[in-house]
Amino acid sequence: DVKVTQSSRYLVKRTGEKVFLECVQDMDHENMFWYRQDPGLGLRLIYFSYDVKMKEKGDIPEGYSVSREKKERFSLILESASTNQTSMYLCASNQATGSLYGYTFGSGTRLTVV
Amino acid sequence: GQNIDQPTEMTATEGAIVQINCTYQTSGFNGLFWYQQHAGEAPTFLSYNVLDGLEEKGRFSSFLSRSKGYSYLLLKELQMKDSASYLCAEGVFQKLVFGTGTRLLVSP
Repeated sequence: DVKVTQSSRYLVKRTGEKVFLECVQDMDHENMFWYRQDPGLGLRLIYFSYDVKMKEKGDIPEGYSVSREKKERFSLILESASTNQTSMYLCASNQATGSLYGYTFGSGTRLTVV
Repeated sequence: GQNIDQPTEMTATEGAIVQINCTYQTSGFNGLFWYQQHAGEAPTFLSYNVLDGLEEKGRFSSFLSRSKGYSYLLLKELQMKDSASYLCAEGVFQKLVFGTGTRLLVSP
């Protein structure tokens, strides 16, 4: 089974800190995604990547950046954390075929910015 | 982004049948997906429809009508453990776009 691992389950950071959220997948998937999930808003796509060193903005990229130096790792960066970035962050990956079957999520990182 | 609508909350009784509807506005349609998410956990895959019709998988079935931009998830013989959020998602090119989810509460 494909495994998507997010390095932290819970994280508490201070306003203004630079925050790194790490995601690693072990099935050689080309595509990787970062979502945030908030009550009443559902999952919203922040950034995604179709290949190493490639990135595309999702629906809510403001305040975030990403890094994909290796195929298996996709990092989400909060340059200067703010309280409105308190949320559940979910990473996902899938193969770059025509079908999206097999889109798999990590267990999530619940980030609190104080 | 795409507009995906599903009810916010539903309640049902153990042993009953419940249908959760989802409508979407297609753009680069690449399948319709249903995920289950228990509180505090990641979404887990339930079903996938890319052609019109009904897909059955044990107690869960999912239906798709592409011409109407409509899908539903049918849960039979409800169990307490089915209390969760159910997320409808449209495949748009190479990514999934999600609705806000339907919270299902199953009572004894």
